[in-house]
Amino acid sequence: EDQVTQSPEALRLQEGESSSLNCSYTVSGLRGLFWYRQDPGKGPEFLFTLYSAGEEKEKERLKATLTKKESFLHITAPKPEDSATYLCAVQARNYGQNFVFGPGTRLSVLP
Amino acid sequence: DAGITQSPRHKVTETGTPVTLRCHQTENHRYMYWYRQDPGHGLRLIHYSYGVKDTDKGEVSDGYSVSRSKTEDFLLTLESATSSQTSVYFCAISGTGGRETQYFGPGTRLLVL
Repeated sequence: EDQVTQSPEALRLQEGESSSLNCSYTVSGLRGLFWYRQDPGKGPEFLFTLYSAGEEKEKERLKATLTKKESFLHITAPKPEDSATYLCAVQARNYGQNFVFGPGTRLSVLP
Repeated sequence: DAGITQSPRHKVTETGTPVTLRCHQTENHRYMYWYRQDPGHGLRLIHYSYGVKDTDKGEVSDGYSVSRSKTEDFLLTLESATSSQTSVYFCAISGTGGRETQYFGPGTRLLVL
């Protein structure tokens, strides 16, 4: 069965303490993997798209990487404003235009 | 920010009443989507549209209908609301399809009593 899982479910970091979030997927024919950030009470905000294994994207303190089975979102020297829920989604050949979302990782960065 | 608005932003209704949520975009994107987000389930696709009057079902379409009479508007209707439809509803848009990123609206919080 195709699915997307994320770990950990929740993560608390001290400001400046780097870490990684994981998104694992079991889909056939990956067309794209997408990372979003969601703040409480708001819609998901697009961060990155990765299309093929080995690809990396960076934006400020965030770096996303992709392998054939998983993606990592690395957070370097996080700040309290990085606190949010991070969602990953996959688009696979079997789903057409549709995305399958993971449950998210809730990140808290303490000052 | 993608030009997506949703209305209403908050709604409280009673079981058995019809409810219509509206998504409006100013990006002229072809694809529009309705998701619901619930604790423990993440975002799940309800219905989507790939053009004016062209719609299809998603993962959790039972109890919902949609309509798209103009490129910019996508309506989600709960014909007879139930408490299980209490949720946060998000609209999303994407361009030409293929590997296009989906961009999300601000959401509508619906409470069915």
